[in-house]
Amino acid sequence: GENVEQHPSTLSVQEGDSAVIKCTYSDSASNYFPWYKQELGKRPQLIIDIRSNVGEKKDQRIAVTLNKTAKHFSLHITETQPEDSAVYFCAAADSWGKFQFGAGTQVVVTP
Amino acid sequence: EAGVAQSPRYKIIEKRQSVAFWCNPISGHATLYWYQQILGQGPKLLIQFQNNGVVDDSQLPKDRFSAERLKGVDSTLKIQPAKLEDSAVYLCASSLPGLQETQYFGPGTRLLVL
Repeated sequence: GENVEQHPSTLSVQEGDSAVIKCTYSDSASNYFPWYKQELGKRPQLIIDIRSNVGEKKDQRIAVTLNKTAKHFSLHITETQPEDSAVYFCAAADSWGKFQFGAGTQVVVTP
Repeated sequence: EAGVAQSPRYKIIEKRQSVAFWCNPISGHATLYWYQQILGQGPKLLIQFQNNGVVDDSQLPKDRFSAERLKGVDSTLKIQPAKLEDSAVYLCASSLPGLQETQYFGPGTRLLVL
């Protein structure tokens, strides 16, 4: 089955700097890659996703890149703000539509 | 649009007791998922329903966990008997039918087994 590894587990950045989180997956048939943000005690919320027919997708300060050959994808947050502090999860959906989540990255943005 | 609803939000039980969680998906979402999220980890799929049929329950500990979605809408997840290691947040999610559709999560039920 699919295996997703996520790095780093914690990330501390100064407000205004960029944050990058990387995930690798094992199943070459996976073709949908969502990213979720989870604030403390709240539900995971989708922030951006990418499908395998696209290499990059951007939404304001958030972007995701996908390298199918290397089987990795990354989340980029630019001009970080304190409200970006949360746990971020990547996921990969296999050909059956089953999601495998990464272990999460705790992002802390310090003013 | 109303989101995924779950109840209760919190539950504290003693080991060997039973507990049940309820989920109401977004209207029109034929696919429903139950996840277990242990503190510091990502969600782990327990079971996936398509309407009232089970699509995947390969990671459901069937000796103690059961789930049903009798009318293809609401779903219940039960644990009997509970163990200490079942302490976690149980998340319900739903999506439109089809592969690789966006999953929308409920607020979760935080379970503590003492």
